[in-house]
Amino acid sequence: EIVLTQSPGTLSLSPGERATLSCRASQSVSSGYLAWYQQKPGQAPRLLIYGASSRATGIPDRFSGSGSGTDFTLTISRLEPEDFAVYYCQQYGTSSTFGQGTKLEIK
Amino acid sequence: QLQLQESGPGLVKPSETLSLTCTVSGGSISSSNYYWGWIRQPSGKGLEWIGSMYYGGSAYYNPSLKSRVTISVDTSKNQFSLKLSFVTAADTAVYYCARHSTVAGPSTPWGQGTLVTVSS
Repeated sequence: EIVLTQSPGTLSLSPGERATLSCRASQSVSSGYLAWYQQKPGQAPRLLIYGASSRATGIPDRFSGSGSGTDFTLTISRLEPEDFAVYYCQQYGTSSTFGQGTKLEIK
Repeated sequence: QLQLQESGPGLVKPSETLSLTCTVSGGSISSSNYYWGWIRQPSGKGLEWIGSMYYGGSAYYNPSLKSRVTISVDTSKNQFSLKLSFVTAADTAVYYCARHSTVAGPSTPWGQGTLVTVSS
């Protein structure tokens, strides 16, 4: 099983700042099959990024994904108030596993 | 706009079988090359992929749950279903159905989720 480790566990930032979230895999993620989701309390996760760097339909361009192999990053260029949530990475190249999540909170 | 909605009992007894259905609206479950899957989330915890099925009949399961899981598709009702047998308290979670672009992801859209509690 591919284990995904997200860091940091909690990130405290202010609106307007840049957020950088990390996802590290225990082995290489095949074909770059890495996705990022945003989840707010009481809601289902929302797909942000797939294929490591492709934005899903309707996702603002302040969200970007990068990385390959075992190291992946989600960047939010300029935080809006609605961006404060929990973010999960998922690999779907070998079965599927999720990271434990990064909570992005308002500083 | 494609929408998914989970339904089923909210309370299941230990050792029994959990059964959920996902109804798809706004599109046909058999019209495109998508997989239809289930993901769960225990309260306050992370996400776990359970499995998925292609409408044509191939099913794929999380190895850790494979011995207890069955996913099926009913194209006539535009629904797909999850059965999880021999449940324990560890199976208590919010269960989501979702459309996958490949066997195990990425997933969009998702249903709103349904809480299933395993308790006597």
